[in-house]
Amino acid sequence: QTVVTQEPSLTVSPGGTVTLTCASTTGEVTSGCYPNWFQQKPGQAPRALIYSTSNKHSWTPARFSGTLLGGKAALTLSGVQPEDEAEYYCLLYYGGAWVFGGGTKLTVL
Amino acid sequence: QGQLVQSGAAVKEPGASVKVSCKASGYTFTNYFMHWVRQAPGQGLEWMGIINPSGGSTTYAQKFQDRVTMTWDTSTSTVYMELSSLRSEDTAVYYCARASWDLVPLFDYWGQGTLVTVSS
Repeated sequence: QTVVTQEPSLTVSPGGTVTLTCASTTGEVTSGCYPNWFQQKPGQAPRALIYSTSNKHSWTPARFSGTLLGGKAALTLSGVQPEDEAEYYCLLYYGGAWVFGGGTKLTVL
Repeated sequence: QGQLVQSGAAVKEPGASVKVSCKASGYTFTNYFMHWVRQAPGQGLEWMGIINPSGGSTTYAQKFQDRVTMTWDTSTSTVYMELSSLRSEDTAVYYCARASWDLVPLFDYWGQGTLVTVSS
């Protein structure tokens, strides 16, 4: 059973840069895992940010970017805004099934 | 554009079943897949499965294989997720999420969520 792991929590200062990562117990995360990233704020449904590693939706702010880094999927926020404080989830594809990471709680302080 | 509107909250007793609906609008219903995802209180997201409204093929997460059924009704552009043999651990918010797969898969629009409470 594949387990996808993320940093439980990270803290970043406004205007700073932070990278969230997404790793798999199966091994290296590749483009074939089609990493997706979602943002969720308290009491709200998740919002899609990134699909297939690095592609942005039309509503995704330019300060969000996705990539593969050191065998993991990564989400980088550059020039963090206070409204970026939220929970972030990655989602990976494994042969017909999808697996969410445990989420990273990002605090902007 | 697209919008997904889910059915209202439900309270069920242990052992019962629940059926959650997700009504789509603003796009061609059969051109997109629909995933179901749940989130227990204070916990993370959990993928449950996917249905293709064009033909009805489904794939379920192994954990729910014997308890979940996803169906669809093209006439009303609605997908359904039924979970049986409910237990307290099934208390969660259930979401539908639209997805497509042209060259690559992507998720975009989500429903507002449906709280299902399992309690005697």
